[in-house]
Amino acid sequence: QVQLQESGPGVVKPSGTLSLTCTVSGASVDYYYWTWVRQPPGKGLEWIGFTYHNGEPNYNPSLKSRVTISLDTSRKRLSLRLTSVSSADTAVYYCARDRGGDAKGYFDLWGRGALVVVSS
Amino acid sequence: QSVLTQPPSASGTPGQRVIISCSGSSSNIGSNYVCWYQQFPGTAPKLLIFGSNDRPSGVPDRFSGSKSATSASLAISGLRSEDEADYYCAAWDDSLSGWVFGGGTKLTVL
Repeated sequence: QVQLQESGPGVVKPSGTLSLTCTVSGASVDYYYWTWVRQPPGKGLEWIGFTYHNGEPNYNPSLKSRVTISLDTSRKRLSLRLTSVSSADTAVYYCARDRGGDAKGYFDLWGRGALVVVSS
Repeated sequence: QSVLTQPPSASGTPGQRVIISCSGSSSNIGSNYVCWYQQFPGTAPKLLIFGSNDRPSGVPDRFSGSKSATSASLAISGLRSEDEADYYCAAWDDSLSGWVFGGGTKLTVL
């Protein structure tokens, strides 16, 4: 059974850097796209970006200047790094498997999510 | 403000058929597939519909999707109390080269 588990600090200081890891178990990370989605408390979903093994990441233009997504295939870990955070970045962050990485894709597996609060 | 537009709420009684709409533009719904996700409070979203009208295995056939021009719909027939959740539409946007979501619709079963 494939499982995704997010981990990382639950609190980040304003202007600091948010770093999360998503560990994949039960399946190879090769041949799939891996994505990050976030959800501010009480609000809707926002796509952050995705990456693919041996491929270039693709980011949401609204976050592109601050975000880095990487994939460690040997450790089966997906990473998210978001710099210069503010209270607007407080959200539950989900990692998910994208079956296409383009218009034919869809997110068929999701982690349970990790709440990150930006606060001093 | 979300790129795709959904009604914030919808409701129905058990056994009824409910339709949730999702409106977009030519760069997303108008030219690409639509996905639908179901989310219960405090849990991760779950894929409900992909390819505009395909269901993953395990999703009841009470759930169906459709698309026409720049709009899409999720229909839930034989409404049950356990269908009470938030529903999100999503589509690839060619202008952004990325995924866009609707703002979500909270479905209440009366």
